[in-house]
Order: sequence, then structure tokens, then C-alpha cells
Amino acid sequence: QVQLVQSGAEVKKPGASVKVSCTASGYTFSTYEINWVRQATGQGLEWMGWVNPHSGDTAYSQNFLGRVAMTRNISINTAYMELTSLTSEDTAVYYCARSAGFDPWGQGTLVTVSS
Amino acid sequence: DVVMAQSPLSLSVTLGKPASISCKSSQSLVHSDGNTYLNWFQQRPGQSPRRLIYKVSNRDSGVPDRFSGSGSGTDFTLKVSRVEAEDVGIYYCMQGTHWPPTFGPGTKVEIK
Repeated sequence: QVQLVQSGAEVKKPGASVKVSCTASGYTFSTYEINWVRQATGQGLEWMGWVNPHSGDTAYSQNFLGRVAMTRNISINTAYMELTSLTSEDTAVYYCARSAGFDPWGQGTLVTVSS
Repeated sequence: DVVMAQSPLSLSVTLGKPASISCKSSQSLVHSDGNTYLNWFQQRPGQSPRRLIYKVSNRDSGVPDRFSGSGSGTDFTLKVSRVEAEDVGIYYCMQGTHWPPTFGPGTKVEIK
């Protein structure tokens, strides 16, 4: 079955960077975009951007321009989201989701930013 | 950006009774290709979101038929014909017609 498996929880200090991975299985990885969405504790869903695994093309939300980079490694069916200059406001669960239809989602990666 | 509004934001429902969630967009969600990219997601406590409905009214595989989606233009509705205990969670609408994709604030469903 189609599945997205994300990397484990991270704890970072303010000003640091974090890189979260999302490994796909059950379909041809290059065929569908991978979206990244974050959810602060008790809050709603915020779209961050997507990466096209085939071309490497990306599109980012204005809210994260200059701080986010989404990449992929087709040989291992994995997409990555790197967020820099972290602050406490970046503490959230980060999800990947396949395609423009956002189906399915990964299990989420908790990123905690704390001094 | 297209703003998605949901109502109510919180819903307490008796088991076996119906429930309805409204989602309104600040612009028409009819795409130039003729499709309307309005999805509904369910997020159970402690879980990732799961898509229930895509393109307004199409139920995803494995989604019980007590869930249905309807609407057009800027007004959409998710209905649950008979609420079960497993339906507790937060429901989000999301539009994918206009860039960037945007989500509604969510509607929290609990059992009375």
C-alpha cells in the first residue's frame, strides 16, 4: 500500500536548522509531488510548500521563503524539508503528504525548538 | 490567498445522530479545468490527517458511506449521517484550486 514514513523527532536550539525526511513506498515516487504541512500544538494545518520528485522543482509558501528548502533523492524514494533559523514559533509537527490531493500523509515529525 | 472558513468550530453530537460542517471559501473554487478542488480531512486525536473526500463529493477508499460531501462555488458541506464514536476528531476543509493551497481552521467533533 502507499505509505510515507518520516524521520524521528528532533530537538533544536534557536538559530539552528532541521532536516526532516519522508520516504515513500508502494508507488512510483517520481510521479507525484510531495507537500509539506506543519501543525503547531493545538493549531491548524499550514501548507509550507512542495517538491516535484521528477524534476526537483519546488514551490514555497511566502511565509517560509528564504528559510525553507525542499529536495529529494529519487534513488532512495525520499523527500526532504530543511528549515533554517529556527525559533520557538517553529515548534510543531511537520507532515509530508503525497500529491496535489494530499493523500496519504506521513506519520508526522515533531520538531521542538528550545534553548 | 483564499481564506477558508468553517462553522461551527466545535460540534457536540449524540451517537447515532447526524452532523454537518460548513466550509466557505473567499473565492469560487471552480478551476479553469472545470474541476472543484475541495477536500475534507479527518484528524483523529494523536493521528495524522486522513483524506475523506476529494473534489467536493468523492469518498476515498475505505471511508464509510455515512460521510458525504456536497456543495459548489464557495459553499461546501460535510455530512455524517449517523455519528459513531470513531468519528471524534477535527475536520478540515482544504482548497487546491488556487495557489497556495489553504486549509480551514478545523471543526472539533466530540460525542455528547
